[in-house]
Amino acid sequence: GAGVSQSPSNKVTEKGKDVELRCDPISGHTALYWYRQSLGQGLEFLIYFQGNSAPDKSGLPSDRFSAERTGGSVSTLTIQRTQQEDSAVYLCASSLYQENTEAFFGQGTRLTVV
Amino acid sequence: QKEVEQDPGPLSVPEGAIVSLNCTYSNSAFQYFMWYRQYSRKGPELLMYTYSSGNKEDGRFTAQVDKSSKYISLFIRDSQPSDSATYLCAMIHNQGGKLIFGQGTELSVKP
Repeated sequence: GAGVSQSPSNKVTEKGKDVELRCDPISGHTALYWYRQSLGQGLEFLIYFQGNSAPDKSGLPSDRFSAERTGGSVSTLTIQRTQQEDSAVYLCASSLYQENTEAFFGQGTRLTVV
Repeated sequence: QKEVEQDPGPLSVPEGAIVSLNCTYSNSAFQYFMWYRQYSRKGPELLMYTYSSGNKEDGRFTAQVDKSSKYISLFIRDSQPSDSATYLCAMIHNQGGKLIFGQGTELSVKP
């Protein structure tokens, strides 16, 4: 596709359930980033991938959060045993390569834990 | 203390005004500086980026970086209601890697 695609766009889940969020980066982009944005807040870094490896996963808030990337393309962010404080918009971005400053963002997945 | 500080606003100006948005940072290793614009319920979109110190102009937008003061600015001339959005500054270390964002400033331009 022409841009970064994220699915689902909205997700409501019950506390304690697991959720998977998907990101399809722009074709050919080797770097992929996950961020979290809570209401009225800036973007909180979670993890980034260069190819299929994750050189920096320092932003993952707890061991309930994990992410993988396969084939240097699609990435999945998984949150296990969701908590209400996990409610936020999860944004994915990709760029041509790690040092490239032009990162393109998807529309985000709005996660609500009830 | 956060690595990047940005006044969250909100900032309200009349149409046609000059808008000044600012960020300060603490890490001298930052070399790439960006401004993103985010409309409500949308992902951020890149407006401008600069490398190291200096100015960059693009239409009504001007980005300035002062590394000696660890201070960056975005100026919007002849502001329009369509400029109403949240503006986020972002930075990358000279080693590359993740973008570090400010909190974002919510701007409203009134007709």
